[in-house]
Amino acid sequence: EDKVVQSPLSLVVHEGDTVTLNCSYEVTNFRSLLWYKQEKKAPTFLFMLTSSGIEKKSGRLSSILDKKELFSILNITATQTGDSAIYLCAARYGKLTFGQGTILTVHP
Amino acid sequence: DTGVSQDPRHKITKRGQNVTFRCDPISEHNRLYWYRQTLGQGPEFLTYFQNEAQLEKSRLLSDRFSAERPKGSFSTLEIQRTEQGDSAMYLCASSPEGTVNEKLFFGSGTQLSVL
Repeated sequence: EDKVVQSPLSLVVHEGDTVTLNCSYEVTNFRSLLWYKQEKKAPTFLFMLTSSGIEKKSGRLSSILDKKELFSILNITATQTGDSAIYLCAARYGKLTFGQGTILTVHP
Repeated sequence: DTGVSQDPRHKITKRGQNVTFRCDPISEHNRLYWYRQTLGQGPEFLTYFQNEAQLEKSRLLSDRFSAERPKGSFSTLEIQRTEQGDSAMYLCASSPEGTVNEKLFFGSGTQLSVL
């Protein structure tokens, strides 16, 4: 059965810290790995990764995929209170299979 | 592009009642997905459609759940004889399958409370 595991499940940091969120997956016929941010209701898209070793960046956020070891990481540098959210990782073949999420709390 | 729309936003019902939720995807998105999310968990897959065809349904989904997408546009999710364990956020998403931009776009969800 398809499985996605995220770690840590929760993380509390102070503004300015750098965080690394982990995601490992076992998905048959894997196609892509997606990261979403969920603050209140709808998850909002961050990154989609299909190739190993190619880092994607958007401002202070970056992500990379390792298809050999079946994992991905999401880095957030210089964290801000507005980064507080649940970060969801999902592996795709047809449907998305989500991990449990990492709850990030950034204190001032 | 008006985004994925879900209705209602909140639903409170008594155990044993039937409920129906509606999802309007982004226009021209041919895939539509339903997920369920409970507190502290990631979204759990329920089912998805390509146009009007239901391509996959979770084995965890009981026979009390049914979904339709009759004309390949909006979709409905019905839960019959609701139970307290059905209380959750029901999320709908759509995607333009077959393009390079195949990410899922999510609606704001319907929060179901079964008393």
